[in-house]
Parts: sequence; C-alpha cells; structure tokens
Amino acid sequence: QLQLQASGSGLVKTSQTLSLTCAVSGGSISSNYYFWSWIRQPPGKGLEWIGYIYHSGSTYYNPSLKSRITISADRSKNQFSLKLTSVTAADTAVYYCARELTGTPSYVDVWGKGTTVTVSS
Amino acid sequence: DIQMTQSPSSLSASVGDRVTITCQASQDISNYLNWYQQKPGKAPKVLIYDASKLETGVPSRFSGSGFGTDFTFTISSLQPEDIATYYCQQYENLPRSFGQGTKLEIK
Repeated sequence: QLQLQASGSGLVKTSQTLSLTCAVSGGSISSNYYFWSWIRQPPGKGLEWIGYIYHSGSTYYNPSLKSRITISADRSKNQFSLKLTSVTAADTAVYYCARELTGTPSYVDVWGKGTTVTVSS
Repeated sequence: DIQMTQSPSSLSASVGDRVTITCQASQDISNYLNWYQQKPGKAPKVLIYDASKLETGVPSRFSGSGFGTDFTFTISSLQPEDIATYYCQQYENLPRSFGQGTKLEIK
C-alpha cells in the first residue's frame, strides 16, 4: 500500500527557503495515473492546494504562490520535493504531500501524515 | 480561480441527528466536487467524490448531492466518531480549491 513521508526543515527563518521532500513507498511516481501534490494548512485554518508534478515532469502551481514555488521529482529515489522561497510567517503551516488521481474523478486518495513548518525570524 | 463557500462554519448536533452542510461554487463546476473529512491532528480523508459517489469503505450514512454551483453533504445519523472538520473541494479547474471548512461538534 502506498505511503508518503514528508521530511525537511521544520524551522525556517523569514526570507529564506523552505525545502521539503516526500518519499514515496509502495508505488512509483512514474505512474501516469496520478499527480503528486503539495497541500498546506496554516494553524487552525483550512486547506490550501499548492501545486503538483506529473510523471512527465510537467507542473502546475497555485498562482497565489507561483513566483515562489518549485516542485520537482527524483525518479531514481522515487520522491518529489517542494521549495518555497522568501518565506514569511504566513507560510507557517502543516505541509502535506499527497497523491491525486488524474482525469475524472480527481481527488486525493493518499495523504502523507503532514510535516509542520514554522517560519520565524 | 473558483471560490468555494461552505456553510455553516461550525455546527453542533446530537448523536443520531441528521446533519447537512452546504457548499457553493463561484461558477459552474458540473459535478466535479469532493468532500473530505479531517479529524484533529490527522490528514484529510475523502468521503465523497463526483458530488455524490461514496468512496469505498465509507459508511452509507454519508451522502452528497448537487450539480453546477450548489452542493450538499449529509450525515443521516450523526455518530460520535464523525466529529471532525469537513471540506468541499472542486476539481473542475486549476488551481484546486477548498471550502473554508465546517467544524462539527457533538452537543
């Protein structure tokens, strides 16, 4: 069964770069049936979809974050990553990596446990 | 971007009650609407996809309906384990967007 495990910097200084990696086990990120996504949730708030990467390497980013985001994949390690530059306190959140079905229907069927990132000066 | 508006933002009900949450999209999304349940400290879990289809393994007391811009999520008989926050999400267009959530509590 597919499992996703996010890891990375839990504490990031203001204006620096947040870096997270999601290790995928029990399945391949090279599958064309899925998008590999990042979703975040600020403390006490709702869910915000960040973006995804497809097996082809194509990406889509939320326009609200587009200028600061890079999502990439390393197929040799079966993992994908998120970089978010110029962070502020507003980027403090639990970050989830997730698998999203392509086509119709499309929904997140597997979530990682979430990793907490705090931005502080 | 498509805006998703959920109501109410919070809800208190008794065990056995019928509970209804609504979600309105800012434009026509056909039936491209999912409902997720998130328990405290946990990742969300999909309950309903395509507005009305029950994900495998989800109890039949959960249901969804709607098309176009107006959608409804119902728990027919509230159980203690249903305490959670519920989110709608559209996938008609990118970026995906979620409603602000409905926090469900037991009276």
